Amino acid sequence: GDSVTQMEGPVTLSEEAFLTINCTYTATGYPSLFWYVQYPGEGLQLLLKATKADDKGSNKGFEATYRKETTSFHLEKGSVQVSDSAVYFCALRNSSASKIIFGSGTRLSIRP
Amino acid sequence: IAGITQAPTSQILAAGRRMTLRCTQDMRHNAMYWYRQDLGLGLRLIHYSNTAGTTGKGEVPDGYSVSRANTDDFPLTLASAVPSQTSVYFCASADYSGGGRNEQFFGPGTRLTVL
Repeated sequence: GDSVTQMEGPVTLSEEAFLTINCTYTATGYPSLFWYVQYPGEGLQLLLKATKADDKGSNKGFEATYRKETTSFHLEKGSVQVSDSAVYFCALRNSSASKIIFGSGTRLSIRP
Repeated sequence: IAGITQAPTSQILAAGRRMTLRCTQDMRHNAMYWYRQDLGLGLRLIHYSNTAGTTGKGEVPDGYSVSRANTDDFPLTLASAVPSQTSVYFCASADYSGGGRNEQFFGPGTRLTVL
């Protein structure tokens, strides 16, 4: 069945460091891919998405490119801030299903 | 402001008691979902509904029931709560009709503690 694997955390970085959180997936067909973010004490919010191969999703300085050849959707940011501290979830939705498959989440902590 | 509301925000419950978590959305989304989140990370799907009048079981449905009498509401009931149901519960909705947006929208969560 469909699945998402993302790098385990926690990830701790200094402010202004470069961030990469790896995400790979297994799915039939052509799923849509998502990154969600969960700030402390809140629900999940959509951060960015891509719906077809080679699409790049971007938001708040974060980017991820849908790579079908490597079945990956890695999240990157060039210069992280303390306010980026949160849990990040990679997810996919196969167009034939109404459910989203979530990765296990990666906790990111940014030191001032 | 359009979105999803959940009630209560938090609850402490004695084991064996019955509890209903409420979820309401005003976006006219056809699909709704209940997840539980343990240890601050992974989400697990409890139940879902693709449209009013239909429901389905997710990954961890035992001990929970849902109903979908109308488009807006999707209550989750714990018939007889047990300590292992201590968790944070999130409701979500999505518009998967033709031309709808692809993502799920989440409520703020209900923190439930069963003693």
